[in-house]
Amino acid sequence: AQTVTQSQPEMSVQEAETVTLSCTYDTSENNYYLFWYKQPPSRQMILVIRQEAYKQQNATENRFSVNFQKAAKSFSLKISDSQLGDTAMYFCALVVGSQGNLIFGKGTKLSVKP
Amino acid sequence: GAGVSQSPRYKVAKRGQDVALRCDPISGHVSLFWYQQALGQGPEFLTYFQNEAQLDKSGLPSDRFFAERPEGSVSTLKIQRTQQEDSAVYLCASSLFGLAKGHEQYFGPGTRLTVT
Repeated sequence: AQTVTQSQPEMSVQEAETVTLSCTYDTSENNYYLFWYKQPPSRQMILVIRQEAYKQQNATENRFSVNFQKAAKSFSLKISDSQLGDTAMYFCALVVGSQGNLIFGKGTKLSVKP
Repeated sequence: GAGVSQSPRYKVAKRGQDVALRCDPISGHVSLFWYQQALGQGPEFLTYFQNEAQLDKSGLPSDRFFAERPEGSVSTLKIQRTQQEDSAVYLCASSLFGLAKGHEQYFGPGTRLTVT
């Protein structure tokens, strides 16, 4: 069975600072993909960043980057220069190549303070 | 272009009533997923369609839950004889391709179901 664990239910950060959200996962598959999704209050879930497990290079998208440690099964998200609009629930998710559905963690509620 | 839409956005049902939740995916998207998100939790997978074929329904919690996508576009999730534990947000997501390569899923705004 596949699992995703987010151990930080809530975090806060000052505007313009950097914050790191943690995620660990478990799967016995070799072919999988990892995602961070953002769910703003009362708004739709949107993709933040995606990582293919076979790629060693960490994915980056503007202010968002990941630290993918495959052996440790760790996939943390770093948000640089935090903005008020980054306030949201952040979900780490796993897709196993033989299936297609996302397996989500319980989420981390991030608050960016002015 | 239009994203994934869902209707109704909010639904209140009395225990024992049947409900139908609609999902309009992005035009041309092959894959369609339904997820259930309980309050304060991450979404959990319910079922998956590739075009009109329901390829995985392993996440449906009971035989009261039924989903269809008869023409490979719009999908309906039906819950019969609703129970209080069915109260949740039901999310629909679509993806351009089939299951390979973990392509991005685009989510709708969800339907918040409250069973009283």
